[in-house]
Amino acid sequence: DAKTTQPNSMESNEEEPVHLPCNHSTISGTDYIHWYRQLPSQGPEYVIHGLTSNVNNRMASLAIAEDRKSSTLILHRATLRDAAVYYCILRGGSGNTPLVFGKGTRLSVIA
Amino acid sequence: NAGVTQTPKFRILKIGQSMTLQCTQDMNHNYMYWYRQDPGMGLKLIYYSVGAGITDKGEVPNGYNVSRSTTEDFPLRLELAAPSQTSVYFCASSYTGNSNQPQHFGDGTRLSIL
Repeated sequence: DAKTTQPNSMESNEEEPVHLPCNHSTISGTDYIHWYRQLPSQGPEYVIHGLTSNVNNRMASLAIAEDRKSSTLILHRATLRDAAVYYCILRGGSGNTPLVFGKGTRLSVIA
Repeated sequence: NAGVTQTPKFRILKIGQSMTLQCTQDMNHNYMYWYRQDPGMGLKLIYYSVGAGITDKGEVPNGYNVSRSTTEDFPLRLELAAPSQTSVYFCASSYTGNSNQPQHFGDGTRLSIL
């Protein structure tokens, strides 16, 4: 799987939007972009994924650049519960490939 | 919905002891995975299974064994515990191995080897 680059940490105020960036300049045409998050002392939790088009679900939005070399996870209104480590992961289109976790971005939310 | 259930939640072992970490899922998922997470690091894949009776090594399989006799269960065995195996272990499952399938994780087993 291609490599991703994320900032080590970010900070946000509560109830403000948060934009978490991810660079993946070596992404292949069949790689899906997945986002997971891990709250303290819990297992990772699936957030969202996409291939080419922007995606929305109840948790977040995923904005994918036109050249697919970067993406942004958008939390529309950060809450204290959103404080977690967020992982951006590419997963190959060939199937049967496990998730490869990097160090992610640690998001702090300030009340 | 139970999802992925791991037991025990915590365990302390002495060097050289053996133990089995249990994982069960009730979502009828074909694929199951074992990861470990060392402090301040991302997850690394130990073993995975694409269905009952089929297992394969991941990135860090040494010192571990797995079996998959049923769709629901995927236990991880440590035969001779070593301090380097002190970690948090996560089990996960997915319906298929396709790249657009999310994985569902358990809450982890925190294991210390002393």
